[in-house]
Amino acid sequence: EAQVTQNPRYLITVTGKKLTVTCSQNMNHEYMSWYRQDPGLGLRQIYYSMNVEVTDKGDVPEGYKVSRKEKRNFPLILESPSPNQTSLYFCASSSWGRDRSYGYTFGSGTRLTVV
Amino acid sequence: GNSVTQMEGPVTLSEEAFLTINCTYTATGYPSLFWYVQYPGEGLQLLLKATKADDKGSNKGFEATYRKETTSFHLEKGSVQVSDSAVYFCALSDPNTGFQKLVFGTGTRLLVSP
Repeated sequence: EAQVTQNPRYLITVTGKKLTVTCSQNMNHEYMSWYRQDPGLGLRQIYYSMNVEVTDKGDVPEGYKVSRKEKRNFPLILESPSPNQTSLYFCASSSWGRDRSYGYTFGSGTRLTVV
Repeated sequence: GNSVTQMEGPVTLSEEAFLTINCTYTATGYPSLFWYVQYPGEGLQLLLKATKADDKGSNKGFEATYRKETTSFHLEKGSVQVSDSAVYFCALSDPNTGFQKLVFGTGTRLLVSP
């Protein structure tokens, strides 16, 4: 089954304790991205990757890191989490669409709480 | 910059009622437009899409027409069901500013009662 898998689904952590949220896709998609979802703000892009070893900042990259060493994996790293990073996080992937549709496949989300 | 504006929710309807969720956009080029749906506790799923003016996207009884003259992409369904209760997101992808960024509206929650 074509899917994007995120882990963990739920995470409660303390301020300053480094954490990694994993994301893996099995569709051989070139493009991957991380979004955070907050009430009243919709989804905002954190980082994206056009392909292996190619990453760039989205709209809200502060406090986050990413890496793309393999095509299928795109982990999100919070080096020193703070309470304002409490949010619902989504990973998404896509392939280059010749019809310009570029439909995205989303993971099920990771609900992160930083106390 | 590119942006998407959706109507505030929640939208509360009775089963079999007609649904409209308004969406307007601002873009520098000729974007592709999408509607995504998020069911409780799940990720976003692509509901429908349109890539050029006057295209109509449709899926599961939902429709939306790409209106360039009014920069709109309103979502409609003739008869909603309880199972349609979810949050609906309008989004755009603009090749001129980089199709890698999907710009979302803030989402509209739909509640359908029996």
